[in-house]
Amino acid sequence: DVKVTQSSRYLVKRTGEKVFLECVQDMDHENMFWYRQDPGLGLRLIYFSYDVKMKEKGDIPEGYSVSREKKERFSLILESASTNQTSMYLCATSIGGAGQETQYFGPGTRLLVL
Amino acid sequence: DQQVKQNSPSLSVQEGRISILNCDYTNSMFDYFLWYKKYPAEGPTFLISISSIKDKNEDGRFTVFLNKSAKHLSLHIVPSQPGDSAVYFCAASPQTGANNLFFGTGTRLTVIP
Repeated sequence: DVKVTQSSRYLVKRTGEKVFLECVQDMDHENMFWYRQDPGLGLRLIYFSYDVKMKEKGDIPEGYSVSREKKERFSLILESASTNQTSMYLCATSIGGAGQETQYFGPGTRLLVL
Repeated sequence: DQQVKQNSPSLSVQEGRISILNCDYTNSMFDYFLWYKKYPAEGPTFLISISSIKDKNEDGRFTVFLNKSAKHLSLHIVPSQPGDSAVYFCAASPQTGANNLFFGTGTRLTVIP
């Protein structure tokens, strides 16, 4: 059973703060993803990683960076939080390399930036 | 540009009846399609998938139909149960690339007891 955990369920931060969101998976999956979910917009891909120290921009990378130093851990960093980054952040993983893969999601982090 | 579209933001169905959720896509390179279910304050959970080489896949009460010529897929839930009330996301994956998924905007299903 795939387990994806996220460091916080709820976070409240102030504008300008640096914010770290962490995702950990226990299934040895190659691929890891960060999405944000906003009402009426569905899930939008921020960044993904297909290997340690590798990263690729998704559809909305502006204002975010990521770090993958270990295979099981993928961090999303908001360098200087802004109110328009208030959202639900979702981490996902997939096996990698096989194509036609299912992604498995963590429980999400609801971030409020004041 | 939204490559995967769910044009119905919401759907209400009576318990025991069939729920039909629809999804359209524009990219002919998509070859794998998934449905996810999401409860409030939780992450999406995988429900069912279908490869482009099939036109139907069934898993218990859930069936997904794929019409490649129309670039349309649908999820049928029968019989619908109150616990099925959630937001359903359709997603699609292209043949090449890093296994990204492209998501629709979701349909909120309410099953009325």
